[in-house]
This record gives sequence, C-alpha cells and structure tokens, in this order.
Amino acid sequence: TQLLEQSPQFLSIQEGENLTVYCNSSSVFSSLQWYRQEPGEGPVLLVTVVTGGEVKKLKRLTFQFGDARKDSSLHITAAQPGDTGLYLCAGALGNQFYFGTGTSLTVIP
Amino acid sequence: SQTIHQWPATLVQPVGSPLSLECTVEGTSNPNLYWYRQAAGRGLQLLFYSVGIGQISSEVPQNLSASRPQDRQFILSSKKLLLSDSGFYLCAWSGDKSQETQYFGPGTRLLVL
Repeated sequence: TQLLEQSPQFLSIQEGENLTVYCNSSSVFSSLQWYRQEPGEGPVLLVTVVTGGEVKKLKRLTFQFGDARKDSSLHITAAQPGDTGLYLCAGALGNQFYFGTGTSLTVIP
Repeated sequence: SQTIHQWPATLVQPVGSPLSLECTVEGTSNPNLYWYRQAAGRGLQLLFYSVGIGQISSEVPQNLSASRPQDRQFILSSKKLLLSDSGFYLCAWSGDKSQETQYFGPGTRLLVL
C-alpha cells in the first residue's frame, strides 16, 4: 500500500513554463519533506515543512503543507533545464519516513 | 557538519554470492539509520531502520539483513544474492531528537548477474 501518492508521475515542459506537483495522502504526518534526485545520486533535501498551512519559498520553488498535514504541493515558476530531475515527497511518522511515488520532471530548453 | 558515506559506489556480483554494503555517518551521534532500495526513476522502498546499536527493524521480508555494530555504522548484507536484488541502495540518517528530516548518502548501484 502506497501511503503517499504523487501526481503527475511524468512531466515534460518548455523552459519558462510554470508547474505544480502534488503529494497526497489520507494519513496525517508530523512533517513532510521534498527532495530532488539526479540519476545515480542520492536524493537531496529541498525543504521540510512542519506546520499545517505552512508555505516556504526557495528561489523559484514554493512549497505548501496542507492545513490538515495530509498533503503538500511544490510549485516551480519559470522552470529551467537545471530543474530537471526526480522530485520526491516524504512524510514523517514516528521513526519512519514514507516516500511518494515520485515525479519525473523534464524541462526542455 | 554532518556527512554520510556509502561504499562501494557500484557493485557487480554473481547470483548466489554474498553481499556487504556499508554506510557511515560523521558529525552526529545516536542517529536513526535507514536502508532503502529504489527502482529506476521511482520512489524509495524502506528495507531496514535502526534507532540504536544492535536495534534493527525490518520492513520487508526478503533475502537481505542489516546490522548496526557501531553507533554511526550501518551494514546491509546478504548470504546469497538473487537477480531481484539488483537496484539502487540508499542509506540515510536522521537526528534522534529531531526526526523531521532525512539526509541521504550517494547510493550504491548493485547489479546481480
């Protein structure tokens, strides 16, 4: 059973376009993380959100944690080829972290 | 600052051979440690996690085992590898007091032939 569902699974867009990735669950998490991963490398942490309704910005990336702490979104403004990669969300419950199914993003120059 | 190391980076092993992957963390004490396996371009499957020396929790019954002989060392092993053990193995740590975030190692690519 997949605790966290990400959508879309694959996304291919032109440079300069905006996009949103969603991470949804029926479970409540104490926190939620977003990671970006390059092929053959470990995931790199982008952000951790803890409070329901919290919004964090990292340059052109905006992360939001749902009010009920069950879901999250990642919005990228004016995407660039360097944003290409696999985006993973992960929810923390106790000592464990539950990962989403991943969104593979390709930004075409 | 904290760092996490994994080795080897790449491994090619025959079916039926043993396996030992090592993960070490520097710059922190009493971390929670995790082993994941990742299929190509997909999410992570938790294999084992440990909250202390000698304490291992297994999430998926399989051909693999884990051990934590020292506070900042986590080892993934197998006595006899299967073809289905091929994959990308990731080690991660989180703080024991602030468990909100995990940090990942560079990963080990395992190919079983």
